[in-house]
Amino acid sequence: QKEVEQNSGPLSVPEGAIASLNCTYSDRGSQSFFWYRQYSGKSPELIMFIYSNGDKEDGRFTAQLNKASQYVSLLIRDSQPSDSATYLCAVNPRNTGGFKTIFGAGTRLFVKA
Amino acid sequence: ETGVTQSPTHLIKTRGQQVTLRCSSQSGHNTVSWYQQALGQGPQFIFQYYREEENGRGNFPPRFSGLQFPNYSSELNVNALELDDSALYLCASSLGLPGDTQYFGPGTRLTVL
Repeated sequence: QKEVEQNSGPLSVPEGAIASLNCTYSDRGSQSFFWYRQYSGKSPELIMFIYSNGDKEDGRFTAQLNKASQYVSLLIRDSQPSDSATYLCAVNPRNTGGFKTIFGAGTRLFVKA
Repeated sequence: ETGVTQSPTHLIKTRGQQVTLRCSSQSGHNTVSWYQQALGQGPQFIFQYYREEENGRGNFPPRFSGLQFPNYSSELNVNALELDDSALYLCASSLGLPGDTQYFGPGTRLTVL
């Protein structure tokens, strides 16, 4: 089992729709969870971080964390063509002392105008 | 802009050569992590430095080594380059607490021929 798993996609949604990106992780003791956006040829940029169970909203983005199910998701409301990118889920597993960040392979999102 | 810079932007080397990549962390960030990102994959953790000491290492051979300097700069050195070392190399700086948010530099694209 991979430490952090994401559907590779591509996920295609029409402009204005909600895009839902999912991620599961294997270390039940993980404490910190991040979503990064990466445009082709560029470096990852942080969208959101979440530490506690539940929802965290920032503008059009909502991160959801369910530690019991070892599941974290990212919702993008009112999707725009500029949201088309690869979305990386990242986790800090407790079994590494918390310093090591494990990334999923990313989900490619296409927002059709 | 994250305040993290990397040089060079692109680099072409031949198999067996050695390479040094450089990173300048965000001011005040005493932790730097290095990642390797192959095409279509998520970033893979190489190692982390905290206050000039290696703080942890991923599954990379010893020919990958690093240094961190007191002025928030760091280096990634790779000896005996192999074709599979072709990738985007990313550095990320953070304050150093486990689970802290990391801020990525723009990356160095290394091609090994």
